[in-house]
Amino acid sequence: RKEVEQDPGPFNVPEGATVAFNCTYSNSASQSFFWYRQDCRKEPKLLMSVYSSGNEDGRFTAQLNRASQYISLLIRDSKLSDSATYLCVAITGGFKTIFGAGTRLFVKA
Amino acid sequence: DTEVTQTPKHLVMGMTNKKSLKCEQHMGHRAMYWYKQKAKKPPELMFVYSYEKLSINESVPSRFSPECPNSSLLNLHLHALQPEDSALYLCASSQDRQPNQPQHFGDGTRLSIL
Repeated sequence: RKEVEQDPGPFNVPEGATVAFNCTYSNSASQSFFWYRQDCRKEPKLLMSVYSSGNEDGRFTAQLNRASQYISLLIRDSKLSDSATYLCVAITGGFKTIFGAGTRLFVKA
Repeated sequence: DTEVTQTPKHLVMGMTNKKSLKCEQHMGHRAMYWYKQKAKKPPELMFVYSYEKLSINESVPSRFSPECPNSSLLNLHLHALQPEDSALYLCASSQDRQPNQPQHFGDGTRLSIL
């Protein structure tokens, strides 16, 4: 079983749609979690941190459920520019970083 | 523009060559990372330095040799690589004053082994 699992998609959604991604992690010792986005042939860019209390940044909302060991990302009012791969990340022991395989999102006009 | 700078952007080398990848950051971060990313796969952690000391080596073959000369610089020395080592090599940095901080990535070196 992979330490961090994501649905690879692809998710194909129209502009303006709301889309949700989920991610599960197997190591209960994981301490912090993030969502990154990665465009084709580019580096991962930090999208947001994920907390149990939830974290909202504009159209993006992230949530952590420690009891179920899952992380979610909600994107509202999707834009064409949101098309990318979204990577879930879990960090253990300060530095040991595991990326999920990524979920591909295509937003269409 | 990324605040983590990697050079070169592209590198083609033969299996007998020796080359180095370089990474520099001026954000005052004290943790620096090397990752390998193959096409359509996520980044895989290779090495972590914290306060210029090697903190994590994810069982990386010895043909990859990391070096952290100071708090702003991170090198990856390459020798006798194999074709399967062709990949995007990403450097990242994070603060180390608190644990589990987000990492900021450079735009990578695209390495091809002939």
